[in-house]
Amino acid sequence: QVQLVQSGAEVKKPGASLKVSCTTSGYTFTSYYIHWMRQAPGQGLEWMGWVDPKRGATNYARKFKGRVTMTRDASINTVYMDLSRLKSDDTAVYYCAKEGTGNTLPDYWGQGTLVTVSS
Amino acid sequence: QSVLTQPPSASGTPGQRVTISCSGSSSDIGSNAVNWYRHVPGTAPKLLMYQNNQRPSGVPDRFSGSKSGTSASLAINGLQSEDEADYFCALWDDSLEVIFGGGTKVTVL
Repeated sequence: QVQLVQSGAEVKKPGASLKVSCTTSGYTFTSYYIHWMRQAPGQGLEWMGWVDPKRGATNYARKFKGRVTMTRDASINTVYMDLSRLKSDDTAVYYCAKEGTGNTLPDYWGQGTLVTVSS
Repeated sequence: QSVLTQPPSASGTPGQRVTISCSGSSSDIGSNAVNWYRHVPGTAPKLLMYQNNQRPSGVPDRFSGSKSGTSASLAINGLQSEDEADYFCALWDDSLEVIFGGGTKVTVL
């Protein structure tokens, strides 16, 4: 079965960088893009971008351009999301999700990674 | 603040029908297909509906989706206690970004 397993919770200081991993299984890693989203406390979901595990191509949401980097390591079926220059309002649960087969929106999601940014 | 508008809450008794709306504009819902997800906090969101009204394998036919103009809806027939969760809509907008509704918390009374 399709699974996306994310790295564990993190606490970061303002100005630091964050790296969240998402390890996939149960399907062909290079066949589907991986989306990244986040949900701040009490807020709706926010899309951050996608990475193409086959070619490494990326597309970032305008809001995060210049601060986010999405990469992949096909040898271990894992994608990464780096977010730099963290601020307190980056406190959120971060999710990865596989591109769907029915359309290109997410279908299977990871369990989420809680990131707390606090001094 | 989410671009797509959903009611913050909805409720019903077991067996009832509950409908959740997702309202947008001509540049998002008006021109793109909608997905719906169920999310129990602390777990991975689950895809319930794609391409407006298509159910993935394993999703009961109690769930149905529709779209008309700049609004989409998810209906849950025969409400069950296990349906208590947050439900949100999502789609690509015309600027090629994914946007989400704010989510609707469904309570089974």
